[in-house]
Amino acid sequence: SQQGEEDPQALSIQEGENATMNCSYKTSINNLQWYRQNSGRGLVHLILIRSNEREKHSGRLRVTLDTSKKSSSLLITASRAADTASYFCATDARGSQGNLIFGKGTKLSVKP
Amino acid sequence: NAGVTQTPKFQVLKTGQSMTLQCAQDMNHEYMSWYRQDPGMGLRLIHYSVGAGITDQGEVPNGYNVSRSTTEDFPLRLLSAAPSQTSVYFCASRLDRVQNTEAFFGQGTRLTVV
Repeated sequence: SQQGEEDPQALSIQEGENATMNCSYKTSINNLQWYRQNSGRGLVHLILIRSNEREKHSGRLRVTLDTSKKSSSLLITASRAADTASYFCATDARGSQGNLIFGKGTKLSVKP
Repeated sequence: NAGVTQTPKFQVLKTGQSMTLQCAQDMNHEYMSWYRQDPGMGLRLIHYSVGAGITDQGEVPNGYNVSRSTTEDFPLRLLSAAPSQTSVYFCASRLDRVQNTEAFFGQGTRLTVV
């Protein structure tokens, strides 16, 4: 069964707006990661947050992690049309042998 | 830097045929895995390997075999293709299973079984 579940399933915004995606998971984790997938392409790693971290930034990306609620959020600020893609959270659960378990993703559409 | 290379990119099989999807990485990563991606289902783990000579099953292993004779290569074999195996397949690697590291993905193989 899938560990992470993203919300919303789809999100449509205008260029310049912020996009927020949420991820919930079920078990204890070593870290949580966010990936991006452009249509028809492989997944690309965006950011990793460890279980003892609460917030992490990378350029226009901000990730938060709340282990007590088993949830994470990805914020993309000042979005661009090029940010249009699907975004997935992946959990690296404790004792998982290194397996990343992915959610179903959020499809983000940024309109010029 | 090639990263993770998958071949072929596209494949059409007839029901009952067998084939091997190739995956190679040049980063000396210990951990490798195969996922399938179906519409609305996200990525589901098929098989994984934590090092050469070691493989194990993931969430959806039925109908697939893997082997890991070298660190670099992790082929996925479809034994007798079925329409339910129509999907996009991704190979991924990580440095190892212990450290907090990212996964690197290949570009995918789009498989259609008719």
